[in-house]
Amino acid sequence: KAGVTQTPRYLIKTRGQQVTLSCSPISGHRSVSWYQQTPGQGLQFLFEYFSETQRNKGNFPGRFSGRQFSNSRSEMNVSTLELGDSALYLCASSSLAGGDNEQFFGPGTRLTVL
Amino acid sequence: DAKTTQPPSMDCAEGRAANLPCNHSTISGNEYVYWYRQIHSQGPQYIIHGLKNNETNEMASLIITEDRKSSTLILPHATLRDTAVYYCIARTSYAGNMLTFGGGTRLMVKP
Repeated sequence: KAGVTQTPRYLIKTRGQQVTLSCSPISGHRSVSWYQQTPGQGLQFLFEYFSETQRNKGNFPGRFSGRQFSNSRSEMNVSTLELGDSALYLCASSSLAGGDNEQFFGPGTRLTVL
Repeated sequence: DAKTTQPPSMDCAEGRAANLPCNHSTISGNEYVYWYRQIHSQGPQYIIHGLKNNETNEMASLIITEDRKSSTLILPHATLRDTAVYYCIARTSYAGNMLTFGGGTRLMVKP
């Protein structure tokens, strides 16, 4: 079974631009969560989607948004990029909406904002 | 989710058992203890989780104290490939799949 895939793996943008990152969960998984990892703040939760509905949202500005499609693939968008948005963006998938289950992480997308 | 506290770093000799402690003194009855690890610049990898009882799988063992205020992850025979940051996370079973990561423990396995 293929793992979680994220595209692109690396991205360079300039301040003020917007970016869209994609995550394809493990086949059959309906939950997708997104995380931001920076050296200063560590791993921080962005949001979670289950069956196309956002279930949880972390403490990030409205510039960060996401969505999930009917095939469970998810995208996250960051508008008006700032230098501080440079980070490793990770997504994780799970078969369940919560409860006693594990999550599987993708390799991440490394975003650099110049 | 309850806050967890872990030592920032630990060393372990290759072939020896690595015992990684985690304090979660405010954990509630419906919170599981999860362990993930992250090898440099890769996505975190699930290791093991438990609620009350000790758990063992092919990767590790999880020992939870009777009062559930602390736990220990045991890697029985550490290898160089076990060098990673290990995260202990307390998570409720009904609040979705959100994980709250702390600083973790950076385990260095040395030859």
